Amino acid sequence: KAGVTQTPRYLIKTRGQQVTLSCSPISGHRSVSWYQQTPGQGLQFLFEYFSETQRNKGNFPGRFSGRQFSNSRSEMNVSTLELGDSALYLCASSFSSGGEGTEAFFGQGTRLTVV
Amino acid sequence: GENVEQHPSTLSVQEGDSAVIKCTYSDSASNYFPWYKQELGKRPQLIIDIRSNVGEKKDQRIAVTLNKTAKHFSLHITETQPEDSAVYFCAAPSPGYQKVTFGTGTKLQVIP
Repeated sequence: KAGVTQTPRYLIKTRGQQVTLSCSPISGHRSVSWYQQTPGQGLQFLFEYFSETQRNKGNFPGRFSGRQFSNSRSEMNVSTLELGDSALYLCASSFSSGGEGTEAFFGQGTRLTVV
Repeated sequence: GENVEQHPSTLSVQEGDSAVIKCTYSDSASNYFPWYKQELGKRPQLIIDIRSNVGEKKDQRIAVTLNKTAKHFSLHITETQPEDSAVYFCAAPSPGYQKVTFGTGTKLQVIP
């Protein structure tokens, strides 16, 4: 069974540009969460989607947005990039529909560098 | 919202010794506590988890203990080996599992 796939793996963008990252969850998983990982801040929750609906959002500015498609694939968009957005962006999929805890499977991540 | 604190941030142990990492959480309604291991350049992977209806769970050299009254849970690794060197994250999903708050991570170094 294929794991969580994130594309692209690496990305270099210029300040002010916008970027879209993609995440394909494990087949059958309908929950997709996004995290920003930086050396000093650990794993910071961005948002979670289930059945095309955003159910929760972390404390990030409105420049960070996402969506989920009917096939559960998810995209994350960051507009007006800033140097501080340079990070590893991880998505995780799980079978959970809420109310119970189940294992989250992470993708390899997209390494975003803003110059 | 949930607040998760993890200590220590770095830990060095001699091969064969034990390592203990502790996390505290704030939301008393949290009922599922996973631990993830992230090796250098790799994705985080679940190594063990515990639900609030048990106080301890073991899997070979790894164990997790939970104290719901004190709102803390710990990861115990016995007979450490060099391949245990990694960053370990605890997590506490909010009830409904819609938002997961991770600890800031513990970098474990096992010295041969």
